[in-house]
Amino acid sequence: KQEVTQIPAALSVPEGENLVLNCSFTDSAIYNLQWFRQDPGKGLTSLLLIQSSQREQTSGRLNASLDKSSGRSTLYIAASQPGDSATYLCAVDQGAQKLVFGQGTRLTINP
Amino acid sequence: DGGITQSPKYLFRKEGQNVTLSCEQNLNHDAMYWYRQDPGQGLRLIYYSQIVNDFQKGDIAEGYSVSREKKESFPLTVTSAQKNPTAFYLCASSIDIPLSGLQREQYFGPGTRLTVT
Repeated sequence: KQEVTQIPAALSVPEGENLVLNCSFTDSAIYNLQWFRQDPGKGLTSLLLIQSSQREQTSGRLNASLDKSSGRSTLYIAASQPGDSATYLCAVDQGAQKLVFGQGTRLTINP
Repeated sequence: DGGITQSPKYLFRKEGQNVTLSCEQNLNHDAMYWYRQDPGQGLRLIYYSQIVNDFQKGDIAEGYSVSREKKESFPLTVTSAQKNPTAFYLCASSIDIPLSGLQREQYFGPGTRLTVT
């Protein structure tokens, strides 16, 4: 059974720092991996999707990497801003229309 | 505006009552999903539907029911059989490209917070 783990559960950094969020998964047979952002009490916003054949995807200050063989993905946020404060979730698509989610990392950027 | 709408945003019910949560999308997506989120946890799949008049159980379907009579709509009923129904419920949709390995990015609605007392 696929398990997705995100460490740390919470992270607090000063504004302007570059940071990395981690996601690991136990079964490398995935179609893609998706990173989401969730603000308190809100739905999920898709940030990046990496297909299984890709190594990384970039959008603005965000860069996500995927290493299927080691079961790891990272989300790199450059020059962090207070508006980046949110919970970040990763999810793997194993086919059959199923996403398996990690528990999320709650990120706080301090001004 | 294209997107997914869920109503209501907050819902309160007494124990023993059934309640139906609405989910509508105008993205012309084939597939729709219902997830449940508990505090400090990731999302868990309740039900999903790849096509009209067809749906499949997810990991935690017990105590829930769904229907898919129209492509745009996928309502979720939380029945009195669900032992711990208080949670945040999220609906999502995606283009269905089965077994192609192509992007099947899921788009989410704003969620409904259900409280049962």
